[in-house]
Amino acid sequence: VQLRQSGPGLVKPSGTLSLTCAVSDGSVISNNLWTWVRQAPGKGLEWIGEIHHNKSASYNPSLRRRVTISMDKSNNRFSVTLTSVTAADTAVYYCGRGRALRDWGQGTLVTVSS
Amino acid sequence: DIVMTQSPDSLAVALGERATINCKSSQSVLYNSDNRNYLAWYQQKVGQTPKLIMYWASTRESGVPDRFSGSGSGTEFTLTISSLQPEDVATYYCQQYYTSATFGQGTTVEIK
Repeated sequence: VQLRQSGPGLVKPSGTLSLTCAVSDGSVISNNLWTWVRQAPGKGLEWIGEIHHNKSASYNPSLRRRVTISMDKSNNRFSVTLTSVTAADTAVYYCGRGRALRDWGQGTLVTVSS
Repeated sequence: DIVMTQSPDSLAVALGERATINCKSSQSVLYNSDNRNYLAWYQQKVGQTPKLIMYWASTRESGVPDRFSGSGSGTEFTLTISSLQPEDVATYYCQQYYTSATFGQGTTVEIK
């Protein structure tokens, strides 16, 4: 499975962060969880949430009020949206396959700044 | 939430010596119905994407050298590098995937 991320690298404070992960050599409607993880500069890994094509998405409780993970089955991709961003949301965002992530996207550095 | 705590935060080991990283979960990640520990280990080298090296606490991912081993059950786990090599310099993270997922804070391994 290959994962290719896309989306803006700069978001204004109070704005919305949106990233997409395109899946190739595999299908988002396979029996897999599709995951988002982030890593603030110099910090550790933080699980954002996951989605399965047959189940509701689940989220990190600390982000639940601001985050949505969705799936676009027709285009074989999934996305993350994070609202009301602040500088604390500046991080490298990764998409991945599985809850124990065997396959990772290339990572996208998203900077929250005006 | 299950909290994962690693120790130490960093360690320096001579080449060829053993490196041991500990990981403790705030509740058991052993699922009784399949007798599996939902615990993974990742290696992240500077500037690179994390790489899964161990899952089910003690199953090495394909291609991972056998100097890496995982052990433990329930709430206490260990990642051991039996003979440290230069390419093993990295930060290592444990992760529980029993309930959603959470990561430990990471342990940085360097050469003494």
